[in-house]
Amino acid sequence: VLTQSPGTLSLSPGERATLSCRASQSVSNNYLTWYQQKPGQAPRLLIYGASSRASGIPDRFSGSGSGTDFTLTITRLEPEDSAVYYCQQYGGGRLTFGGGTRVEIK
Amino acid sequence: DVQLLESGGGLVQPGGSLRLSCIASGFTFSSSIMGWARQAPGKGLGWVSVISVDGRSPYYADSVKGRFTISRDNSKDTLYLQMNSLKAEDTAVYYCVKEQPASGWSFDYWGQGALVTVSS
Repeated sequence: VLTQSPGTLSLSPGERATLSCRASQSVSNNYLTWYQQKPGQAPRLLIYGASSRASGIPDRFSGSGSGTDFTLTITRLEPEDSAVYYCQQYGGGRLTFGGGTRVEIK
Repeated sequence: DVQLLESGGGLVQPGGSLRLSCIASGFTFSSSIMGWARQAPGKGLGWVSVISVDGRSPYYADSVKGRFTISRDNSKDTLYLQMNSLKAEDTAVYYCVKEQPASGWSFDYWGQGALVTVSS
């Protein structure tokens, strides 16, 4: 099970967002992934392997963590960062998503 | 450019069947792990199934095991999802996805989705 917190984050442009993803068991090989999904769109890969940025992702997005605790940090928030962010793990022979964190830009 | 184009969605009665197809282009399909994810209306994401490059040992979410079958035709660059014994809770947008190579099952390309509605 992956638990994401907070459920919703409301911040102003230029602020820093810190999103948490906690796994009930240690994530194998740090196979922890982050996706961004905007309304009406398919998800977009942001971070894989807990900390590697996907192609074309701005360096404002960074991932960290290991074991059971992982973090997605978005520095210098921009209006287009308004979205739902999901973490995903592959472990124990199962692929699972977290419940998502909604980031709202004031 | 990588493109994943799903088709085959629609309205089906409970207990019925449907087959989704995903035509891939812009990358070497036969060398790529592929899969299906889904999202019920207004809900979060969920995994359905993933298939290796040779089609052996597919992965299924517990919720669809025994009812859904994933397959691929590398000669046609096409991924399939055969869905049988459909239930109301299978209502969702189904996304075709491509794995980023050697990433531990992170998926770097997603189709726009096919809506499946299970209702009488």
